[in-house]
Amino acid sequence: GAVVSQHPSRVICKSGTSVKIECRSLDFQATTMFWYRQFPKQSLMLMATSNEGSKATYEQGVEKDKFLINHASLTLSTLTVTSAHPEDSSFYICSGDRRTSTDTQYFGPGTRLTVL
Amino acid sequence: SQQGEEDPQALSIQEGENATMNCSYKTSINNLQWYRQNSGRGLVHLILIRSNEREKHSGRLRVTLDTSKKSSSLLITASRAADTASYFCATRSQGAQKLVFGQGTRLTINP
Repeated sequence: GAVVSQHPSRVICKSGTSVKIECRSLDFQATTMFWYRQFPKQSLMLMATSNEGSKATYEQGVEKDKFLINHASLTLSTLTVTSAHPEDSSFYICSGDRRTSTDTQYFGPGTRLTVL
Repeated sequence: SQQGEEDPQALSIQEGENATMNCSYKTSINNLQWYRQNSGRGLVHLILIRSNEREKHSGRLRVTLDTSKKSSSLLITASRAADTASYFCATRSQGAQKLVFGQGTRLTINP
């Protein structure tokens, strides 16, 4: 199977600081990477779609200046939560489409962000 | 909301019994996928069924798709304690990159 890693797995930060989360496809090239947010006992909500080398497409209601996404290579995408506030505390999950087949997304293990 | 609906929201059964979860969606699709999520973890892909397929099997999993009713079901046979998790359906529309997830079913298998 295809493996996606995320780093860090958990992060606690103070309100007002910025946090960067990395998403890497370890054994495949991901043409497209996706960032999701998940609140406790709820489903995944897509935040943005990121294609390598181009600007991310954000879902309605997601502030692009607050959630900065960079997809510099076919194996790495980053999400930066800028000026984090307690309401940004959530579980952030990334996924990637294989370049050779876009049917299935492969998900990372998620990052638990807690903003104090 | 574009999210699909899943029912039941929660299901608790005894080990060895079968578990059935249902998913309904709103738009025409290219394929429908089922994922499992253990608490606090990422998603694991279980099975994909295309819009021109009606049934698919993988081990103890059986998925059906009824495009006329815009619904799918996931059956887990001979459940085990390790099957305890949340299960999500997700649909991909023709030509779309993104998946639209259902609300999920929390499955608990009691030993």
